[in-house]
Amino acid sequence: DVKVTQSSRYLVKRTGEKVFLECVQDMDHENMFWYRQDPGLGLRLIYFSYDVKMKEKGDIPEGYSVSREKKERFSLILESASTNQTSMYLCASGTHSGALNGYTFGSGTRLTVV
Amino acid sequence: AQSVAQPEDQVNVAEGNPLTVKCTYSVSGNPYLFWYVQYPNRGLQFLLKYITGDNLVKGSYGFEAEFNKSQTSFHLKKPSALVSDSALYFCAVRDRGSNSGYALNFGKGTSLLVTP
Repeated sequence: DVKVTQSSRYLVKRTGEKVFLECVQDMDHENMFWYRQDPGLGLRLIYFSYDVKMKEKGDIPEGYSVSREKKERFSLILESASTNQTSMYLCASGTHSGALNGYTFGSGTRLTVV
Repeated sequence: AQSVAQPEDQVNVAEGNPLTVKCTYSVSGNPYLFWYVQYPNRGLQFLLKYITGDNLVKGSYGFEAEFNKSQTSFHLKKPSALVSDSALYFCAVRDRGSNSGYALNFGKGTSLLVTP
């Protein structure tokens, strides 16, 4: 089975800190995604990447950046964390045809910014 | 952008009864539609998809979904609900991207509660 591993399950950070959320997949998938999940808003796409060093902005990229230096790893970076970035962050991966077969999600990182 | 709407925040059903979780879509071109389920404190799991072909698609855990082009709907169904089906359900549509890859655009989710 494909595994998508998010490095932290729970994270508490202070306002203004630089925060790194890490995601690693073990199935050589080309596509990787970062979503945030908030009650009543569902999942919103932050960034996605369809290849190493490639990235595309999603619907809510402001305040975030990403890094994909290796195929298996996709990092989400909060340059200066703010309280409105408190949320559940979900990483997903899939092949180029994954849009036809579904993507695999990690278990999520619940980030609290205080 | 392609989008989906889930009109119900919560659906309650008694165990053993049929369940329906509603989804409508708005797309240009042919829709690629999906259902995912999220159990508490877990990531999303793929349930089923509609790409083309039969309007009734079958997926995991006894779920099925009916694609209706005239009503632009893709409702999730199960003939007999189980308490263990209680979870958050998301409808999704293939959205932005290219032949290199596509992102999914998700609905806001519907919480399903099955009572004994």
